[in-house]
Amino acid sequence: IVLTQSPATLSLSPGERATLSCRASESVRTFLAWYQQRPGQAPRLLIYDASNRATGVPARFSGSGSGTDFTLTISSLEPEDFAVYYCQQRSNWPLVFGGGTKVEVK
Amino acid sequence: QVLLAQSGAEVRKPGSSLKVSCKASGGTFNNSAISWVRQAPGQGLEWLANIIPLFGTTNYASSMQGRLTITADKSTGIVYMELSRLRPGDSALYYCAREGPAVPPYFDSWGQGTLVTVSS
Repeated sequence: IVLTQSPATLSLSPGERATLSCRASESVRTFLAWYQQRPGQAPRLLIYDASNRATGVPARFSGSGSGTDFTLTISSLEPEDFAVYYCQQRSNWPLVFGGGTKVEVK
Repeated sequence: QVLLAQSGAEVRKPGSSLKVSCKASGGTFNNSAISWVRQAPGQGLEWLANIIPLFGTTNYASSMQGRLTITADKSTGIVYMELSRLRPGDSALYYCAREGPAVPPYFDSWGQGTLVTVSS
């Protein structure tokens, strides 16, 4: 399974809405997660099973989708949200990550 | 929350081997699987392998078959990643990550990363 994330870079201002896409080459049902990676830090689980927020994740983060098309939405960007976001599928072996979307300050 | 502590940075020459450790806080991984994920400089995440320490069962990415060995010491709560026949392309930050209790599991806790540099 190949996960393709788009766009590669998203340039936005604080307070704006961010919409990130992850497309799978074949159905992963809803077995998809989103991770956030800030510079110099390990990734952090944000969303699992496509739409469930992990413990402690703010409500401004939401995930949707099933099958092959998934979206991560950040409703209103906070300064700490500027980071790289990865999707990852858990439907089949091997486990695969998408190439990432960098959300940068415009 | 389970905290994972990894061993320190390593520098190796091409063709050599290295072993990196990952220890769970409290000394046990319980029933969780532990994966190894690497990130080359400026690049994305690549899943390498996992192990269920309780049973010793492993899964490997096909790209790593034959060079990578994952083991676990249940008595000490330490998981090891051993990579042989090192190449410059293996230079990366290597993370261990716990696969949490959800079904299917996702990576809910990560080590701090171990920087591996392969250079002659």
